[in-house]
Amino acid sequence: TQLLEQSPQFLSIQEGENLTVYCNSSSVFSSLQWYRQEPGEGPVLLVTVVTGGEVKKLKRLTFQFGDARKDSSLHITAAQPGDTGLYLCAGGSNYQLIWGAGTKLIIKP
Amino acid sequence: GAVVSQHPSRVICKSGTSVKIECRSLDFQATTMFWYRQFPKQSLMLMATSNEGSKATYEQGVEKDKFLINHASLTLSTLTVTSAHPEDSSFYICSATPDGFYGYTFGSGTRLTVV
Repeated sequence: TQLLEQSPQFLSIQEGENLTVYCNSSSVFSSLQWYRQEPGEGPVLLVTVVTGGEVKKLKRLTFQFGDARKDSSLHITAAQPGDTGLYLCAGGSNYQLIWGAGTKLIIKP
Repeated sequence: GAVVSQHPSRVICKSGTSVKIECRSLDFQATTMFWYRQFPKQSLMLMATSNEGSKATYEQGVEKDKFLINHASLTLSTLTVTSAHPEDSSFYICSATPDGFYGYTFGSGTRLTVV
């Protein structure tokens, strides 16, 4: 059974601080996707990484796929209250998604 | 970009009644759609994979007779919660993808409350 461990599960920090969310697995994934979900809404895709070692940037968000394609990280620089939400990682394998448990992020003004 | 529309966004029904939730891909064809259930402050739990023109594939522990899935066209899948009970109250979300690799598009979800 493929598992994707996401940490931390909850993070509350002050505006302006940096943070990193991790997703780790013992399995290899063909792609790793990061989503952000707001209360009462469906998840919205932020980025997909597919190549080992790949780094993608989305404004203040930096996504990295591990060299072995088993892990990924999301780093947010100078977090802002608008970054508050549930961040979910999902590993793609054979047209299925394996979901992390999610990271509830709260950025306090 | 790919758009998935889900209706209704909220529904309140009486215990014992049935509720139908629709999921439509608006600008692409989806031979496969996915139905998820999400409990408060938790991640998504895949319930079933809806396949156009054939039977849905249900995840272990999901009752097929309770959660009826129909995928009659390349742009529409429906989930019917039959004989709903209060424990079926949850947030249900559908998703689909035009390519199956670069990311999935989710509907806005349906908040079901059974009273």
